[in-house]
Amino acid sequence: QKEVEQDPGPLSVPEGAIVSLNCTYSNSAFQYFMWYRQYSRKGPELLMYTYSSGNKEDGRFTAQVDKSSKYISLFIRDSQPSDSATYLCAIRRPGDKLIFGTGTRLQVFP
Amino acid sequence: NAGVTQTPKFQVLKTGQSMTLQCAQDMNHEYMSWYRQDPGMGLRLIHYSVGAGITDQGEVPNGYNVSRSTTEDFPLRLLSAAPSQTSVYFCASSSGQTNTGELFFGEGSRLTVL
Repeated sequence: QKEVEQDPGPLSVPEGAIVSLNCTYSNSAFQYFMWYRQYSRKGPELLMYTYSSGNKEDGRFTAQVDKSSKYISLFIRDSQPSDSATYLCAIRRPGDKLIFGTGTRLQVFP
Repeated sequence: NAGVTQTPKFQVLKTGQSMTLQCAQDMNHEYMSWYRQDPGMGLRLIHYSVGAGITDQGEVPNGYNVSRSTTEDFPLRLLSAAPSQTSVYFCASSSGQTNTGELFFGEGSRLTVL
């Protein structure tokens, strides 16, 4: 079983839609949860991070962690064509290296 | 503000050839790493370094060598290229002093091995 699972998509939505991107993980020791965004032919860049459980909001983006279900989510409100990218979840145990999901490709069409 | 710079951006090799992918960062980061990204496999860690003179293996180190003689540079060497090493390679760095786990990535080097 992979330590982190992520649906590869692609996910195609109209502009203005609410997008939900998700990952599941297997080890309850993970405490740091991140979302990276990767535009085509570019390197990933950190979008959001959360520690332990709960929500974190930044503009149109909300990261959510449910440790009881081992489930993390990224919500994008009022999605824009500029949000079209691959979104990778990444998790980490304290003092350990990041483990990345395979990424979900999102396409927002006008 | 260059960040993480990788060269070359594209490379085509024949099986058995060797080459070095270059990575340099100007953020004075202690931690540097190399990943490969393949469809359906995500980002996989090849090698990493927590400071000059210190390197260690990641998840998929076979067929690759690294060295870290300076804080700024972390080259990745392919000793004898194989078609299975066709991939996009990313170098990433981190200050390593926070728990956010923020990695700063280069733009990638696309390698094709024929």
